Amino acid sequence: GAVVSQHPSWVICKSGTSVKIECRSLDFQATTMFWYRQFPKQSLMLMATSNEGSKATYEQGVEKDKFLINHASLTLSTLTVTSAHPEDSSFYICSALGQGDSPLHFGNGTRLTVT
Amino acid sequence: GENVEQHPSTLSVQEGDSAVIKCTYSDSASNYFPWYKQELGKGPQLIIDIRSNVGEKKDQRIAVTLNKTAKHFSLHITETQPEDSAVYFCAASEDTGFQKLVFGTGTRLLVSP
Repeated sequence: GAVVSQHPSWVICKSGTSVKIECRSLDFQATTMFWYRQFPKQSLMLMATSNEGSKATYEQGVEKDKFLINHASLTLSTLTVTSAHPEDSSFYICSALGQGDSPLHFGNGTRLTVT
Repeated sequence: GENVEQHPSTLSVQEGDSAVIKCTYSDSASNYFPWYKQELGKGPQLIIDIRSNVGEKKDQRIAVTLNKTAKHFSLHITETQPEDSAVYFCAASEDTGFQKLVFGTGTRLLVSP
């Protein structure tokens, strides 16, 4: 079946550095991908919607200059956390939408720890 | 915007018992309601979904019911097994094609052998 691959699965970085997370749809083309953030024991909160070939749409309260999203192809979207701070430590999850009525498929998430 | 509430937050059952998780939503325009299972350290996995033109859907031990008038939908798991232990999320979306989902707060299900 359809698979969404997310890389890396975990990353530790120092404050002030930037981290890039990749989300790939492995066997289908995804014109739309979504990025979520999940704090421990909490639900998924949508951060932004990534559309291939156009600018991402950010949810209210999400800083677009801090969370840079690029969706350069139909199989790849990237999220870059710029100038990371400890409060950015979280579980980041992407999802990809296929064609027609196919359901949304999620990646396995990236645990970011900022020290 | 849409708001999805989910109950209970935790649910403990004995192996073989049934488990029921309930969600309510606020936006009557929502017409797509998926359920996800999330295991520790992993992303959500779709287990079943239902669209607004259907009142009930079943897949082996899992069933979902939808009451559009009351704006609530439920997940039913029968003959629970320890491997069913996980966090379950309901979600609602206004547009099945776009699938901008609003998630419930999650239910931690623990099935004891």
